[in-house]
Amino acid sequence: DAGVTQSPTHLIKTRGQQVTLRCSPKSGHDTVSWYQQALGQGPQFIFQYYEEEERQRGNFPDRFSGHQFPNYSSELNVNALLLGDSALYLCASSHPGGSGANVLTFGAGSRLTVL
Amino acid sequence: AQSVAQPEDQVNVAEGNPLTVKCTYSVSGNPYLFWYVQYPNRGLQFLLKYITGDNLVKGSYGFEAEFNKSQTSFHLKKPSALVSDSALYFCAVRDESGATNKLIFGTGTLLAVQP
Repeated sequence: DAGVTQSPTHLIKTRGQQVTLRCSPKSGHDTVSWYQQALGQGPQFIFQYYEEEERQRGNFPDRFSGHQFPNYSSELNVNALLLGDSALYLCASSHPGGSGANVLTFGAGSRLTVL
Repeated sequence: AQSVAQPEDQVNVAEGNPLTVKCTYSVSGNPYLFWYVQYPNRGLQFLLKYITGDNLVKGSYGFEAEFNKSQTSFHLKKPSALVSDSALYFCAVRDESGATNKLIFGTGTLLAVQP
């Protein structure tokens, strides 16, 4: 059973460019969350998607946007990249019901470097 | 606003000795608390959670955590450390403000187990 898969694993961009990161949730999961983990920090919540709608958003500017598709996969888009956007971007999936309702399953992340 | 604090950046322990990784929390209601572990170049892996019930929670890989409401703590413990336990450990609390399972993470504690 595949867990959460993310692509690409690594990428390098320059300031001002745009980036799209992709995530496929664990089988049976319908909710996708995105987190940013800067070097030496804990993950910070960006937003969560359920039923193709953004349910909650963290303290991130509008340059960060997302999308969820009918197959539950998701994209994170970041426009006008800044040096400070360099981080590991983690996707996590979950299912709202049952004993695993509050447990997030994380992917290995996409490491973004902005030069 | 709710938060978690991990007061130790690093914990060093000899293999075979007991280990404790500390976490304190701040919430206005009843907390949902979690421990995750992160190995190098990997995403976060769920270890255990406290929602309600017994204050001693048992999790994966022999880890357990003790919920202490009076001290607002949720320390991670293991009776006998292994070298393979060396990793970055994160304590997290579920956000109370929304209807999602958004997690608020601490800054992490690096556990180093010496042979």
